[in-house]
Amino acid sequence: EIVLTQSPGTLSLSPGEGATLSCRASQSVSSGSLAWYQQKPGQTPRLLIYGTSSRATGIPDRFSGSGSGTDFTLTISRLEPEDFAVYYCQQYGSSHALTFGGGTKVEIK
Amino acid sequence: EVQLLESGGGVVQPGGSLRLSCAASGFSFSTYAMNWVRQAPGKGLEWVSAISGNGASTYYADSVKGRFTISRDNAKNTLHLEMNTLGAEDTAVYYCAKVPSVWLILWYFDLWGRGTPVTVSS
Repeated sequence: EIVLTQSPGTLSLSPGEGATLSCRASQSVSSGSLAWYQQKPGQTPRLLIYGTSSRATGIPDRFSGSGSGTDFTLTISRLEPEDFAVYYCQQYGSSHALTFGGGTKVEIK
Repeated sequence: EVQLLESGGGVVQPGGSLRLSCAASGFSFSTYAMNWVRQAPGKGLEWVSAISGNGASTYYADSVKGRFTISRDNAKNTLHLEMNTLGAEDTAVYYCAKVPSVWLILWYFDLWGRGTPVTVSS
């Protein structure tokens, strides 16, 4: 099973600042098969990024994904008030199981 | 409207059983693989199980293998999760989720339901 480790656990930032979230895999993620989701309290997860760097429909361009192999990054260029949430990475490169990272909470400083 | 609606959650005693359902609408249900993902209170997301569009292929997380069974009724556009020998560690909100590809089963998710809560407690 591929274990995903997200860091930091919590990021305290102000609106307008940039955010960099890390997701590290225990082994190489096949074909860059990594996605990112946003989840706000009491809400369903929302797909942001798939295939490491492709934005899902309707996702603003301040969200970007990058990385390869075992190291992946979600970058939010300028935080809007609605961006404060928990973010999860997910790998789908394995042939028999999916895994999620433990999440990074982006909170208002 | 494209949506998924889970039902069947509730409170069950340790060792008990529960059957969850997920009603799909607004898309060609039988074409897409479906998954269950759960989230324990205050915790992160955990993938549980997946099933192909025709139901022929299924996958399970090690934590539920042998206890949970995923199935689907394409005539009724419904996904199920039969859960047996439940323990406190199974307490979570259970989401059904759709993959965006007609060809792939273990993939990312472009549509999630709102979830149904399961509490295992005596």
